[in-house]
Amino acid sequence: AQSVTQPDIHITVSEGASLELRCNYSYGATPYLFWYVQSPGQGLQLLLKYFSGDTLVQGIKGFEAEFKRSQSSFNLRKPSVHWSDAAEYFCAVGLLEYGNKLVFGAGTILRVKS
Amino acid sequence: NAGVTQTPKFRVLKTGQSMTLLCAQDMNHEYMYWYRQDPGMGLRLIHYSVGEGTTAKGEVPDGYNVSRLKKQNFLLGLESAAPSQTSVYFCASSYVSPNTEAFFGQGTRLTVV
Repeated sequence: AQSVTQPDIHITVSEGASLELRCNYSYGATPYLFWYVQSPGQGLQLLLKYFSGDTLVQGIKGFEAEFKRSQSSFNLRKPSVHWSDAAEYFCAVGLLEYGNKLVFGAGTILRVKS
Repeated sequence: NAGVTQTPKFRVLKTGQSMTLLCAQDMNHEYMYWYRQDPGMGLRLIHYSVGEGTTAKGEVPDGYNVSRLKKQNFLLGLESAAPSQTSVYFCASSYVSPNTEAFFGQGTRLTVV
């Protein structure tokens, strides 16, 4: 069965420090991968997506993610975190054969300390 | 440009009551979805629809029904609410093309007491 694992429930980083959020997926076919961000009380906003081609994808707000097929990973990175990045981050895999439905990881809550 | 709109935003139900959540999208998307979000579990798919008049079960369909009578609307019904259905519900929609993302509504916070 398809699944997405985000190993870190909470992460705390200092403002200005670098960030990496981990995501591993289990899926037999070529994955369509996404990272979404959710601020408290809000809906989900797409940060970036990977469908094919260059395995390093750039997103909004200075985020990037790298697809590594050999490791079944799609980790999210940012070189310098801002206080406004504090939110919950969700990794998801899209299933083309099931109406493009998304299977989400459990999420990682990012706290930024000043 | 409204995108995906969910109504209501908040609701408190008593056990056994029924209600319908409405999702409307104005992007002419073929696909629509209902997810529930619970702490530590991410979002889980309840039901989805690949077109007007069609619906399919997701991961957690029990206790819910859906209808897609019009392309732009996707309704989620709870016939007899239970405390286990206390959650935040998100509707989303997307194009048929696989190289596109889903757009989400702002959510409905439902509490069943």
